[in-house]
Amino acid sequence: NAGVTQTPKFQVLKTGQSMTLQCAQDMNHNSMYWYRQDPGMGLRLIYYSASEGTTDKGEVPNGYNVSRLNKREFSLRLESAAPSQTSVYFCASRNREEKLFFGSGTQLSVL
Amino acid sequence: QQPVQSPQAVILREGEDAVINCSSSKALYSVHWYRQKHGEAPVFLMILLKGGEQKGHEKISASFNEKKQQSSLYLTASQLSYSGTYFCGTELDMNRDDKIIFGKGTRLHILP
Repeated sequence: NAGVTQTPKFQVLKTGQSMTLQCAQDMNHNSMYWYRQDPGMGLRLIYYSASEGTTDKGEVPNGYNVSRLNKREFSLRLESAAPSQTSVYFCASRNREEKLFFGSGTQLSVL
Repeated sequence: QQPVQSPQAVILREGEDAVINCSSSKALYSVHWYRQKHGEAPVFLMILLKGGEQKGHEKISASFNEKKQQSSLYLTASQLSYSGTYFCGTELDMNRDDKIIFGKGTRLHILP
């Protein structure tokens, strides 16, 4: 049972480049999340999806777009990467009133 | 909406007890607790729901005061493995929209 799978694990971008972070879960969870983690800032919610077909903004959505492709997959896109988006990104999933399952994270550097 | 955690950091000797607090300015539906070690993903410890239901590790205890909009995580007889950063995450009662916001974390260091 793979759980939550994130790809890639590491990525280096130049300012202005675009990329998509992929996330897939195999636990039949309804809700999926994207968080970013910066030193001293904790985990900040970028976007979440409470069910297939819906997405909602979190605390720091600017500069990002998401797609809930189906129940399993929730992708995060950076259209024009900026150095301020250098961070560790975590995808997570769960069913309501249950715990979050986190992926192993993507370390992104924007030069 | 971000919950406030206290203390920001704590250093203990092995065997000592610690309490980590999480408070919100708004009424809560659920509180989550996770521990994260450097370079790893957060690991689930406990979830507390409005109404009293709790789910989590047997060796971890926590409380949820719904009226005060606060939760506390109790670490007793601490072990070296307890070192890490502890995060609380909260879901507001007014929304119950599955939106979980985390605090900035509490760094815990256990000395032998």
